[in-house]
Order: sequence, then C-alpha cells, then structure tokens
Amino acid sequence: EAQVTQNPRYLITVTGKKLTVTCSQNMNHEYMSWYRQDPGLGLRQIYYSMNVEVTDKGDVPEGYKVSRKEKRNFPLILESPSPNQTSLYFCASSLRGGNSYEQYFGPGTRLTVT
Amino acid sequence: TQLLEQSPQFLSIQEGENLTVYCNSSSVFSSLQWYRQEPGEGPVLLVTVVTGGEVKKLKRLTFQFGDARKDSSLHITAAQPGDTGLYLCAGAGDSSYKLIFGSGTRLLVRP
Repeated sequence: EAQVTQNPRYLITVTGKKLTVTCSQNMNHEYMSWYRQDPGLGLRQIYYSMNVEVTDKGDVPEGYKVSRKEKRNFPLILESPSPNQTSLYFCASSLRGGNSYEQYFGPGTRLTVT
Repeated sequence: TQLLEQSPQFLSIQEGENLTVYCNSSSVFSSLQWYRQEPGEGPVLLVTVVTGGEVKKLKRLTFQFGDARKDSSLHITAAQPGDTGLYLCAGAGDSSYKLIFGSGTRLLVRP
C-alpha cells in the first residue's frame, strides 16, 4: 500500500531534550516536506527536500533541522525543543516539487513540549 | 510574502443546503489545490486547478480558479454530513517548491 508513515504518533517531552520524528514514504517520491499545523494558522511549511541531499527552508524553519540521506526517509530533528514547538506535525511527499503534484500526507505526530 | 486567505473560517449548515468557500490572495499562483482534512488524519487532495477561469467538478463539489489566478472557490451543492471536515487551499509560493496553505474553513453539516 502506498503510504507515508510517521513515528511517533504522539510525543510528550520536556524543554531542551533532543528528539527526532521519523518520516518514510514507499512511493519513490522525489519531494518531501514537513508542516506544522496550529489552530487558526493552517499548515505552515517547515522544510522541504527536492531530492536526496537537497533541502531548503520553508516558512517556519527556526528550531528545526532535517536531513535527506535516502530518498524514502526525511526525519525532522528538534535539537532543543521549546514549548512554542508544541503542535501537530505532518510529513508529506509528492512525485516532484511544484504545486501541480499531489501531496500525500502522513497521519500526523502530535508533539507536546512542557 | 505570499498569503492565502480563506473565508469563512467556520461554517455550520443543515444537510441539503448549498455553500461556497473562498480562497483569496493578492498574488498570482501558477496553480491552486484544495484538500480536505478529517479529524486525526492528514489532508487529502480533492482537486488541482491550473488555468485561469478553470472549473472542475467532483460530484457535488465545484471548484473554480479565478481568471487572474489570484483566487479560487469551492461550492458544495446539497451538503451532506459526510462533507464535514476542514477544507484547505494551497498554492505554490514565490519559489515553486515552497507550498503555502490557507488557514482553512471548518465545515460542519448537521443531519
């Protein structure tokens, strides 16, 4: 089954404790991205990747890191999480970059930073 | 910075009523997409519109892209409880690889 998977689905952590949210897709998609969703703000893009070893900042990259060492994986790293990073996070992939391609979203990761 | 504004933010209607959701910007977009998101899930693509003035229909849903490619609308005819969800529009930003989403319209269709 074609899908985007994220782990963990739920995470409660404390300020400053490094964490990684994994994302994997099995569709051989070139483009992958991370979003955060907050009430009233819709989805905001954090980082995106055009292909292996090619990443770029979205609209809200501060406090996050990403890497794309393999085509299928695109982990999101929070080196020192803070309470303002409490949010619902979505990973997405598409065949290629550009708005005309369908984004396939993962199920989301709900992160709480205390 | 390109922005997409959606209206209304919330909409609660009775089953069988019609409704229209709007997605507006002061910027031109090469294309716009509409997604629907249900609680606990990621958004799912409904449609992509690419040509100014384009109209696409998906059963009871009609999507239109403005002639100037700065706005789009979603019209639902005879809404059903299954249409309940968060509707999001999305467009390619200044860089065609950066995607911008509207803040969403939360629709509730009461039986």
